[in-house]
Amino acid sequence: DTAVSQTPKYLVTQMGNDKSIKCEQNLGHDTMYWYKQDSKKFLKIMFSYNNKELIINETVPNRFSPKSPDKAHLNLHINSLELGDSAVYFCASSQGADLAEAFFGQGTRLTVV
Amino acid sequence: AQSVTQPDIHITVSEGASLELRCNYSYGATPYLFWYVQSPGQGLQLLLKYFSGDTLVQGIKGFEAEFKRSQSSFNLRKPSVHWSDAAEYFCAVGAQGGSEKLVFGKGTKLTVNP
Repeated sequence: DTAVSQTPKYLVTQMGNDKSIKCEQNLGHDTMYWYKQDSKKFLKIMFSYNNKELIINETVPNRFSPKSPDKAHLNLHINSLELGDSAVYFCASSQGADLAEAFFGQGTRLTVV
Repeated sequence: AQSVTQPDIHITVSEGASLELRCNYSYGATPYLFWYVQSPGQGLQLLLKYFSGDTLVQGIKGFEAEFKRSQSSFNLRKPSVHWSDAAEYFCAVGAQGGSEKLVFGKGTKLTVNP
């Protein structure tokens, strides 16, 4: 069974569109994250949720809105997509806010054209 | 704030040769340290981690890493590289006592020649 699963794996869309990426974890973890990996492979945290509450928001444009309906899910909605949003987005989860060990999903490659 | 430096962007080794990937971190207190591997088209997989205790940690796939506080380093090693080890390797640091995020280095791409 996949521990952290993201859908879709690939997403190609036009500028200006709104899109969502879904993430689910079946590990029973209480903390979930979104990371962005840019074209130079640099990974940087975007958001972190603990028990459905936002605890980290790293200067991400407000076009990006995470939604956590329950602690097993953390979806990422992006409005008015721009070319610069093209990247690989990784979802991750961990147990406990003090423990920085995270399990990662396979990533969603977003291409904005 | 924490930071991680991986000085080598790209390393090429021959299959069967030994490997060392460098990682230096900046953090005032005792850090949590991690190495992740990303195979082409795949997500991140945790290789090993250091929280406390023995400074030489063993991970999966025959990898090990040594925490050296005096050098602020956490270098990854493998005595004999296999072709399947070709991937991108990321060192990361997480702060102890309340931090909820990992800070990653920029990665080192490993190429393995036959």
